[in-house]
Amino acid sequence: NAGVTQTPKFQVLKTGQSMTLQCAQDMNHNSMYWYRQDPGMGLRLIYYSASEGTTDKGEVPNGYNVSRLNKREFSLRLESAAPSQTSVYFCASSERGLEGGKAFFGQGTRLTVV
Amino acid sequence: DAKTTQPPSMDCAEGRAANLPCNHSTISGNEYVYWYRQIHSQGPQYIIHGLKNNETNEMASLIITEDRKSSTLILPHATLRDTAVYYCIVRAYSGGGADGLTFGKGTHLIIQP
Repeated sequence: NAGVTQTPKFQVLKTGQSMTLQCAQDMNHNSMYWYRQDPGMGLRLIYYSASEGTTDKGEVPNGYNVSRLNKREFSLRLESAAPSQTSVYFCASSERGLEGGKAFFGQGTRLTVV
Repeated sequence: DAKTTQPPSMDCAEGRAANLPCNHSTISGNEYVYWYRQIHSQGPQYIIHGLKNNETNEMASLIITEDRKSSTLILPHATLRDTAVYYCIVRAYSGGGADGLTFGKGTHLIIQP
């Protein structure tokens, strides 16, 4: 059982380049999330999708866009990467409602913008 | 969501019980207490959650005080693999929606051999 799968695991970008981080879950969860984690910090929510067809901004959405492609997949796009977006990015999924706080996380994408 | 306060780090001897405290003095009646941990370089892992009653599962026990202003996560027989950052999170039940979790800096638990 794969759970939450993120690709790629590592990426180096030049300033101004664009890229899309992919996330897929196989638990039939309704809700999906993108977080970033900077060194020594807790995770911060970038965007979330409560259900297929909906997306909402989290705490730090600037510089990012998301697409909920279907129930399984939730992608995060950096249109013009900046060094401040160097971080580890985690995707997560959960059920809605009472089980919404019980989230399952991927292994992360380590992004460096030079 | 209510704010939580945790010690930045703790040590525990292997084989002993690890007791991780969390203060959430502004918790509201509809807010649950969640615990996650993050082993180095991995994604966070859900451990346990509760509302007001004590909870136990195969990983840990959660003790919530009667006034709900603080809680303790107990790992009954800590092993070296339990070395991780532990996050205490308070989150309201959001009905049909889902708006993510607010992570603080957590407690870095180091299990000593």
